[in-house]
Amino acid sequence: DAGVTQSPTHLIKTRGQQVTLRCSPKSGHDTVSWYQQALGQGPQFIFQYYEEEERQRGNFPDRFSGHQFPNYSSELNVNALLLGDSALYLCASTWGTPGNTIYFGEGSWLTVV
Amino acid sequence: AQKVTQAQTEISVVEKEDVTLDCVYETRDTTYYLFWYKQPPSGELVFLIRRNSFDEQNEISGRYSWNFQKSTSSFNFTITASQVVDSAVYFCALKRNSGGYQKVTFGTGTKLQVIP
Repeated sequence: DAGVTQSPTHLIKTRGQQVTLRCSPKSGHDTVSWYQQALGQGPQFIFQYYEEEERQRGNFPDRFSGHQFPNYSSELNVNALLLGDSALYLCASTWGTPGNTIYFGEGSWLTVV
Repeated sequence: AQKVTQAQTEISVVEKEDVTLDCVYETRDTTYYLFWYKQPPSGELVFLIRRNSFDEQNEISGRYSWNFQKSTSSFNFTITASQVVDSAVYFCALKRNSGGYQKVTFGTGTKLQVIP
């Protein structure tokens, strides 16, 4: 049973560019969330998708947007990249009731130069 | 607002020693969930344990145990007989028991180094 898978693993972008990160949730999971983790910090919640809609959003600007597809996979898009967007981006998936375990992928390491 | 505080930034122990990681949280919710995750250098957050706020029974799972004290808003995690493979960053996390909302609030993490 594959866990949460993310791509790409590492990427380098130039300031001002746009980036798309992809996530496939764990089998049977229908809810996907994205987190940003800066170096030395804990993950920060960006947003959550369920039934192809954004259900909850953290304190991130509109430059951060997402999408969920009918097969529950998801994309995170970041426009007009800033140096401060350099971070590990983690995708998490879960299902059903609030108490169910949330599983994380290995993340996408984004460096903005 | 929810907040998780992990006051210990880094801990070093010698292999086979026991180590306790501290976690204090803040929430206005009466019911919630608490988690511990482990993050090795690869980056993936590995789920370790989960506790419901309405169940204060402390448990042991292998070398892991936890002490949940609702009265002091603490959720400490202990590794018994530590091993080198336990070296990682450990995060305490908090989630509301609220419908479909899945936002998890993390602490800043405690880096554990187990020395052979």
